[in-house]
Amino acid sequence: AQRVTQPEKLLSVFKGAPVELKCNYSYSGSPELFWYVQYSRQRLQLLLRHISRESIKGFTADLNKGETSFHLKKPFAQEEDSAMYYCALVGGGADGLTFGKGTHLIIQP
Amino acid sequence: DTGVSQDPRHKITKRGQNVTFRCDPISEHNRLYWYRQTLGQGPEFLTYFQNEAQLEKSRLLSDRFSAERPKGSFSTLEIQRTEQGDSAMYLCASSIWDKPYNEQFFGPGTRLTVL
Repeated sequence: AQRVTQPEKLLSVFKGAPVELKCNYSYSGSPELFWYVQYSRQRLQLLLRHISRESIKGFTADLNKGETSFHLKKPFAQEEDSAMYYCALVGGGADGLTFGKGTHLIIQP
Repeated sequence: DTGVSQDPRHKITKRGQNVTFRCDPISEHNRLYWYRQTLGQGPEFLTYFQNEAQLEKSRLLSDRFSAERPKGSFSTLEIQRTEQGDSAMYLCASSIWDKPYNEQFFGPGTRLTVL
């Protein structure tokens, strides 16, 4: 069975500090990995996907197949980064997303 | 087109009643997904459609849950004989299907409260 684990329910850092949100996954094949974000009073939206190897809003995520991880990183946190972050995977090309429980990121001024 | 829409946004019902939620996807999207999200959890996948065909329904939580997408456009999710444990946010998402990593666009959700 596929599973996504986000070990931190809450992460609080100061503005300008580096941020790392952890994500580990369990899947027997080669999954597609995503980070979704939900800002206050907004709907869930895609932040980035590993296949694109892109940097969005200063965030990057590297897929480490050996450690089955897809941690989200940003070198300098900004107050507008405060939100709920969900790591998710899809496998087999057919099913819906499997989400982690989410990490609430709070950026303190 | 302003994105995925869901109706109603909130629903309060009494235990044992039936409820139906509607989802209107982005117009050119052929895939439509339903998720449930309970407090403190991430969204949980329930079912999905490609056009009007329901391709996965084994994840529906019980036989009280059913979904339809009769003309390949909007979809409905029905819960029969609601229970207090059905209280949750029900999310709909849509996407264009040609690759598994295509972005799913989410609606605002329908919050169900079962008294």
